[in-house]
Amino acid sequence: KQEVTQIPAALSVPEGENLVLNCSFTDSAIYNLQWFRQDPGKGLTSLLLIQSSQREQTSGRLNASLDKSSGRSTLYIAASQPGDSATYLCAVEYGNKLVFGAGTILRVKS
Amino acid sequence: EAGVAQSPRYKIIEKRQSVAFWCNPISGHATLYWYQQILGQGPKLLIQFQNNGVVDDSQLPKDRFSAERLKGVDSTLKIQPAKLEDSAVYLCASSLGGRALDTQYFGPGTRLTVL
Repeated sequence: KQEVTQIPAALSVPEGENLVLNCSFTDSAIYNLQWFRQDPGKGLTSLLLIQSSQREQTSGRLNASLDKSSGRSTLYIAASQPGDSATYLCAVEYGNKLVFGAGTILRVKS
Repeated sequence: EAGVAQSPRYKIIEKRQSVAFWCNPISGHATLYWYQQILGQGPKLLIQFQNNGVVDDSQLPKDRFSAERLKGVDSTLKIQPAKLEDSAVYLCASSLGGRALDTQYFGPGTRLTVL
């Protein structure tokens, strides 16, 4: 069964701190892995997409890594800001289907 | 570029009633997805359309849920009759194609509460 797990479920940090969100998946036969951001009452926004042949992707203060062999991905957020407060979802693509984790609720305190 | 539009944004019904949701994808996007997101969980794919044909509906509870995409553009998702466990946010997404690496763009969702 294809399952995606995210740890921690919730995280509260002071502004300026660097942080890491974790994602693990049971089936390593992936096409790609994406990290999404979800704000309350809004849809999902794609942050980073890592192809199965890649090991990491970077966008601004965000860096995502992928280790297919161990079934893990991390999202690193540098110098966190209150505007980063949201739910972060990891999604693994198998064929044409995205399988999502339950997300990590991030709160950055000013 | 206009995003994915969904309506209504909120709906409250009683169990055993019927409800329908509407989605208008980004213009030119061939693939349309409906997801169900229960509170505290990630979105779960219910059905995927490629133009007006169904690609995957393996997780759609077909005894009560139905969906259609007429003319390969707009789509409606219907629940009849609703159960308490159907309370969730229903997200619509679209992508240019249906292949891996095609970015999915999500609408704001419809929050359904079944009493």
